Amino acid sequence: AQSVAQPEDQVNVAEGNPLTVKCTYSVSGNPYLFWYVQYPNRGLQFLLKYITGDNLVKGSYGFEAEFNKSQTSFHLKKPSALVSDSALYFCAVRPYYGNNRLAFGKGNQVVVIP
Amino acid sequence: EAGVTQFPSHSVIEKGQTVTLRCDPISGHDNLYWYRRVMGKEIKFLLHFVKESKQDESGMPNNRFLAERTGGTYSTLKVQPAELEDSGVYFCASSRGSDSYEQYFGPGTRLTVT
Repeated sequence: AQSVAQPEDQVNVAEGNPLTVKCTYSVSGNPYLFWYVQYPNRGLQFLLKYITGDNLVKGSYGFEAEFNKSQTSFHLKKPSALVSDSALYFCAVRPYYGNNRLAFGKGNQVVVIP
Repeated sequence: EAGVTQFPSHSVIEKGQTVTLRCDPISGHDNLYWYRRVMGKEIKFLLHFVKESKQDESGMPNNRFLAERTGGTYSTLKVQPAELEDSGVYFCASSRGSDSYEQYFGPGTRLTVT
């Protein structure tokens, strides 16, 4: 069964500083990897995905993520954080072949300090 | 295009009562998913429809939960009778295809069983 670990409950970063949200995964075979963001009182919003190809994936709002197969990681990054990036971030994985079930991490609360 | 919509946004019921949640997917999306997040825990998969057929219902917790998607359009998730542990946020998602396509999530229904 697939699973995701997001080791930090909360990530605090000063506005303008680089933001990193960590994610490691476990899946049988090759993975499809996703990042979602949830703003207060809103649903999950798709940010980016890794399917195949380049390990560095670019997504919405200046976010990017790097797939590292040997470390089974898919960390989310943004070069310069904005206060408006404060939200709950979820990493998710599903297998390349087989079921379509997304397995989510428990989420990371990101707080960007002005 | 309109996003995934869910109704109601919030429901408070007593233990033993019945509740029906509704999800309207994005138009043209054949794949529809239900997920649940119990307070403080990961978002967990419940089931997956392809059109009106249940493709995968391995995440349904027990037979008190019944999901339907008549006509392959909107879906309902009925909980009967509700128990305290059913409290949480129920998310619906839809996708156009079932391979690499990302799933688009609705805002969720917050269910509170007292």
